[in-house]
Amino acid sequence: QSLLTQPPSVSGTPGQRVTISCSGSSSNIGSNFVNWYQQLPGTAPKLLISNNNQRPSGVPDRFSGSKSGTSASLAISGLQSEDEADYYCATRDGSLNIWVFGGGTKLTVL
Amino acid sequence: EVQLVESGGGLVQPGESLRLSCAVSGFTFSKYWMSWVRQAPGKGLEWVANIKEDGSAKYYVDSVKGRFTISRDNTKNSLFLQMTSLRADDTAVYYCARDSPMGSDWGQGALVTVSS
Repeated sequence: QSLLTQPPSVSGTPGQRVTISCSGSSSNIGSNFVNWYQQLPGTAPKLLISNNNQRPSGVPDRFSGSKSGTSASLAISGLQSEDEADYYCATRDGSLNIWVFGGGTKLTVL
Repeated sequence: EVQLVESGGGLVQPGESLRLSCAVSGFTFSKYWMSWVRQAPGKGLEWVANIKEDGSAKYYVDSVKGRFTISRDNTKNSLFLQMTSLRADDTAVYYCARDSPMGSDWGQGALVTVSS
């Protein structure tokens, strides 16, 4: 049972906008930055969003992150077939440098 | 080009030990926190441990405290994870990752299988 709750799955059609939620508590999301990761089938994870809403170089601006209170969201606009992957949120828990991941969300592009 | 290459994975019996290594290149290793993250077959990601730039601070997930030890050798650009008293539920692909931010770069992973 993860400290961060994500929906197990979401789906959308090409061109659509989808959002993935990540719910936590005051000790984790409520007091720390949130990162998002994309894991394509059979590959290592890749950092998609850091510090709630910062895109690393090379990440398309179709991906955006936000945070409000003890929840965070990842939005993907202009959905493409290659976006089909597992997505994870992560943040520190407490004041120490201890990290927790959400359970992951499988995105299916119909 | 940033590269992280894990090695040392394999099949071990419950109760045995294993040491994972992660060879790093393409960035100044000694300036970054580093993490180990694992993924059990068909499951999600689980952060395992991290270590400060100079090795002076280390943190662990509760399930591995007292059994796993993270360390680093900045002279050899290498990160390690010593795993003892291994259990079946430690079976996973283990990734090393650069922090700042956490998981900014990842290795390809090393599979550890704990089974009798």
